[in-house]
Amino acid sequence: EVQLVESGGGLVQPGGSLRLSCAASGFTISSYWMHWVRQAPGKGLVWVSRVNGDGRTTNYADSVKGRFTISRDNAKNMVYLQMNSLRAEDTAVYYCVREGYNSYANWFDPWGQGTLVTVSS
Amino acid sequence: SYELTQPPSVSVSPGQIASITCSGDKLGDKYAYWYQQKPGQSPVLVIYQNTKRPSGIPERVAGSNSGNTATLTISGTQAMDEADYYCQTWDSTTVVFGGGTKLTVL
Repeated sequence: EVQLVESGGGLVQPGGSLRLSCAASGFTISSYWMHWVRQAPGKGLVWVSRVNGDGRTTNYADSVKGRFTISRDNAKNMVYLQMNSLRAEDTAVYYCVREGYNSYANWFDPWGQGTLVTVSS
Repeated sequence: SYELTQPPSVSVSPGQIASITCSGDKLGDKYAYWYQQKPGQSPVLVIYQNTKRPSGIPERVAGSNSGNTATLTISGTQAMDEADYYCQTWDSTTVVFGGGTKLTVL
């Protein structure tokens, strides 16, 4: 079974740091772009970041650029999101997502169960 | 930046057809994707590449995309279809989500 399991969320003070982890099973992540998508309480989905198969190419939403860093360890089948200089508006459930693909299109499937990050004093 | 617009809510009676729209500039020139999210759960892909259904998604769920509008259509709507639905596309290498539509089955 293809599965993604996030961990590392919690309560952190503004300006603090947190590292999220995503453990993949049932497939080899080296063949896929991997993403983080977040959802603030009661709000919609917002794309955060992505990393390519070998980890050399990364992209970020403007709202997190310079503060968040995505990385991966293909040997461990893990994806990470290092979050620094956290702000109240970063409070959200963070989902790890695989980018599926064929010759024509790219989509998000599956999604992990999410991990809640709360930034508050 | 590219934007996708969805109606905040759609209501439908059981057994009827529910249509959820997603609008964006020349969206029909891109691929549209749809995700279903039930309360307390993670999103699930229900339509990819405009019209294709992943395995396990029933045939009564259908997608279309033309002009500036993509549409998710659910036929014979059931109580289990009550959820939030999000459309998504790509603008170059940027991922764009719509704001989401809450489908209520009355």
